[in-house]
Amino acid sequence: QSALTQPASVSGSPGQSITISCTGTSSDIGRFKYVSWYQQHPDKAPKFMIFDVSRRPSGVPDRFSGSKSGNTASLTISGLQAEDEADYYCSSYTGSTHFVFGTGTKVTVL
Amino acid sequence: QVQLVQSGSELKKPGASVKVSCKASGYTFTNYALIWVRQAPGQGLEWMGWINTKTGNPTYDQGFTGRFVFSLDTSVSTAYLQINSLKAEDTGVYYCARDPSLSAFDLWGQGTVVTVS
Repeated sequence: QSALTQPASVSGSPGQSITISCTGTSSDIGRFKYVSWYQQHPDKAPKFMIFDVSRRPSGVPDRFSGSKSGNTASLTISGLQAEDEADYYCSSYTGSTHFVFGTGTKVTVL
Repeated sequence: QVQLVQSGSELKKPGASVKVSCKASGYTFTNYALIWVRQAPGQGLEWMGWINTKTGNPTYDQGFTGRFVFSLDTSVSTAYLQINSLKAEDTGVYYCARDPSLSAFDLWGQGTVVTVS
């Protein structure tokens, strides 16, 4: 199972909105609703941000939202803040109790 | 406090073995699956597989079969990752994470750095 494809980097100014794409295939993102997103600051463990495509765990700001269309999932950060600067990873269920992560996207706040 | 606490950094020589622990607290250990994730230096996250904490049955992703072993000691709410015949390319940070329903990973350990040199 190949990693899901994400852009290497995305940037935006404070207050702007950015969207990170996560492209898979009809065997993973296109087939299942189990897409999740994780935020990772340097030298820290990943943090759970979105599950089931668009659901937010308690404690995650509503500036973070998720969606899916066909074989591509997206994470949108609205009202970008300095603390949002981090790496972001998507993940999808691929069937038979297996999962795959995306290649990762570095978000820079200008 | 709900948390996963992993064992400390390891420095091993090629060909040796290492065993990383992941101790759960604050929740019922056997109610959640446990996954393992590798992050090579400067690289992304790789899903290695998971272990069913009720049955002890492990599932490995391709690329992590043969030398990698997932195990449990439910009496102390701890999962283990053992890597045998270590190679330089095994160097990285290894994370355990909790999976409530084979859908997402909601609680992560702090990571264990394994260096093979």
